[in-house]
Amino acid sequence: TQLLEQSPQFLSIQEGENLTVYCNSSSVFSSLQWYRQEPGEGPVLLVTVVTGGEVKKLKRLTFQFGDARKDSSLHITAAQPGDTGLYLCAGQAGAGSYQLTFGKGTKLSVIP
Amino acid sequence: DAMVIQNPRYQVTQFGKPVTLSCSQTLNHNVMYWYQQKSSQAPKLLFHYYDKDFNNEADTPDNFQSRRPNTSFCFLDIRSPGLGDAAMYLCATSTGPEDYNEQFFGPGTRLTVL
Repeated sequence: TQLLEQSPQFLSIQEGENLTVYCNSSSVFSSLQWYRQEPGEGPVLLVTVVTGGEVKKLKRLTFQFGDARKDSSLHITAAQPGDTGLYLCAGQAGAGSYQLTFGKGTKLSVIP
Repeated sequence: DAMVIQNPRYQVTQFGKPVTLSCSQTLNHNVMYWYQQKSSQAPKLLFHYYDKDFNNEADTPDNFQSRRPNTSFCFLDIRSPGLGDAAMYLCATSTGPEDYNEQFFGPGTRLTVL
């Protein structure tokens, strides 16, 4: 069974600070996605990374896929209260897999 | 706007009383999923459809059933809800694994079992 471990589980920071959250596995994934979920809502896809070492930027968010495609990180620069939410990483085990393996998420609170 | 819609957003039922949750999509995606998410946990896949082909996860209880009458609609039936079935139920769609299985989620239905 493939597992994705996310750390930290909870993170509370002041507006304007930078932060990094991590998504780690001992297994290789063909692709990895990051979602943000706000309380009482469904997850919203932020980005998909597919190539080892790939870096993608989405405004103040920077996503990196590890060279071996076993881990990923999300870095947020100058966090804002609107960044508050649960950040979930999810991996596709194989190119033909219909399933995603989800991590338990990092719950981020950005305090104004 | 193309989207995934879930109704109702909140559902209250009694222990053992059957309940049906609905999901519709305007994305015209081939694949539809049902997930269960409990507080502070990752979404847990219950089953998925590729078109009309139904795929049940091995650990999904028999108490949970699903129907997909057409491309746009998918239903989750809980035949005899127990207290442990109280959760957020999420519907998602995707075009399939060839597009990295990127999934588009509805807003969820929060189920309360009394």
